[in-house]
Amino acid sequence: QLQESGPGLVKPSQTLSLTCIVSGDSIRSGDYYWTWIRQHPEKGLEWIGYIYDTGTTYYNPSLKSRLTISIDTSESQFSLKMNSVTAADTAVYYCARRKVGWFDLWGQGTLVTVSS
Amino acid sequence: EVILTQSPGTLSLSPGERATLSCRASQSLGSNYLAWYQQKPGQAPKLLISDTSNRAADIPDRFSGSGSGTDFTLTISRLEPEDFGVYYCQQYLKSPETFGHGTRVEIK
Repeated sequence: QLQESGPGLVKPSQTLSLTCIVSGDSIRSGDYYWTWIRQHPEKGLEWIGYIYDTGTTYYNPSLKSRLTISIDTSESQFSLKMNSVTAADTAVYYCARRKVGWFDLWGQGTLVTVSS
Repeated sequence: EVILTQSPGTLSLSPGERATLSCRASQSLGSNYLAWYQQKPGQAPKLLISDTSNRAADIPDRFSGSGSGTDFTLTISRLEPEDFGVYYCQQYLKSPETFGHGTRVEIK
């Protein structure tokens, strides 16, 4: 099971920070990439990036300059930080488990609104 | 990046009918590297199909996937009322991994 947490409201130009707690599964299993995906209101899905349990990261080039994804295997969680946010970053943010290439387990999602 | 174009935008069908959803890629994906998801309002997407045609765990056999190259299809053989929602395809051959914009299935 995956569960996102973090502020639902972020001011423009500030940093969005979210955490995903992984339960019922080993974040250190080595079989998965731990992923962030977002969905703009009434729109499609956008892959943000993912991290392996070794700390290796892969980011969407369109967002890479503003992203940091990290992992804490001792706490069974991974995190997303996105800096310099604008209204265009308002979206539902999902954490997900990537197996080979597809996403077989998702969190429920958390809405993040960027507004002053 | 690979652009996935889904059609039609909306399908309105009656229970028991067959639904055919299309996903066209802007470049060849080979015979694998495509997944399908179902999303219902207020919920996260749910994996239906991976590697073009492999059903995920607990997915009924009325869902099937096919295709290769740039053209892929998700077929729901006999629609059930619970099959309403938006269906997305996703490619994972090339980074960044991308999703189509979805096909909405409405139950008449």
